[in-house]
Amino acid sequence: QSVLTQPPSMSAAPGQKVTISCSGSSSNIGNNYVSWYQHLPGTAPKLFIYENYKRPSDIPDRFSGSKSGPSATLGITGLQTGDEADYYCAAWDNNLSAWVFGGGTKLTVL
Amino acid sequence: QVQLVQSGAEVKRPGASVKVSCKASGYTFNTYDVSWVRQAPGQGLQWLGWISTKNGNTKYAQNVQGRVTMTTDTSTSTAYMELRSLTSDDTAVYYCARDVNYVWLDPWGQGTLVTVSS
Repeated sequence: QSVLTQPPSMSAAPGQKVTISCSGSSSNIGNNYVSWYQHLPGTAPKLFIYENYKRPSDIPDRFSGSKSGPSATLGITGLQTGDEADYYCAAWDNNLSAWVFGGGTKLTVL
Repeated sequence: QVQLVQSGAEVKRPGASVKVSCKASGYTFNTYDVSWVRQAPGQGLQWLGWISTKNGNTKYAQNVQGRVTMTTDTSTSTAYMELRSLTSDDTAVYYCARDVNYVWLDPWGQGTLVTVSS
C-alpha cells in the first residue's frame, strides 16, 4: 500500500491530453515539493517534473505539473506512443522522514 | 555527464547477503546524498534509505531497518548498499539515485537485479 495514491492505469488516444493525479497528505505533498518520474521497463526511472512544476531541460513542454494542497497532477498533452510508460509521483514525508512514492500509473496510448 | 553506474545482477540463496555498488561521475560526489530504491516484480517503487555523502549519516526505511547498511567510499565516488538475511521478498531491481536535498532524485542508476532463490 503506497503512501501516495495514483490511479493504476490510464489510457488515451494519440494527440489527446491526460492528467494523472497523486493524492497525499500534509506530511508529504502538502508541505513538500512533488516530483514525477517516467519509468520504462528495463530502464532507470527518469525525472520529468521537480519542485511541483519545473521541467528538466530535456523534457518537452507537453509535460506539466501542478500542486494544490495535499494533491498533485501530471499533465501530458499531444500524447505520443513513446509516452507509454509507468509514471510515479514522489515527495518527502516529514512524519516518516522518508521518500514516499505513489503506486504508479501505467499510461497506455492507443 | 552526470551518471550513476551500478554493479551487475546477483543471484543469492535465502539467508545470504548482497552488496550493490553505485559509482558516481560527472559531479562532485560529496555535494549530494544518495538514496536507494527498489522495485519488486509487479510492484511500485519503494524507498530503502538514504546516506549523506558528506558525513556518512544514514536513514533507513522501517521495512529493511536492521538488515540494511549503506556506506560510501568518497575516494572512488562510490555508494554501497548491503542487504542481509535475504528472502524471496527481496527479489527486486535495486536503484541508487542522487538525492537533491529531499526535493528530487536525479539521475538514477541503471538498476541491479537481485534474485533470491534456493
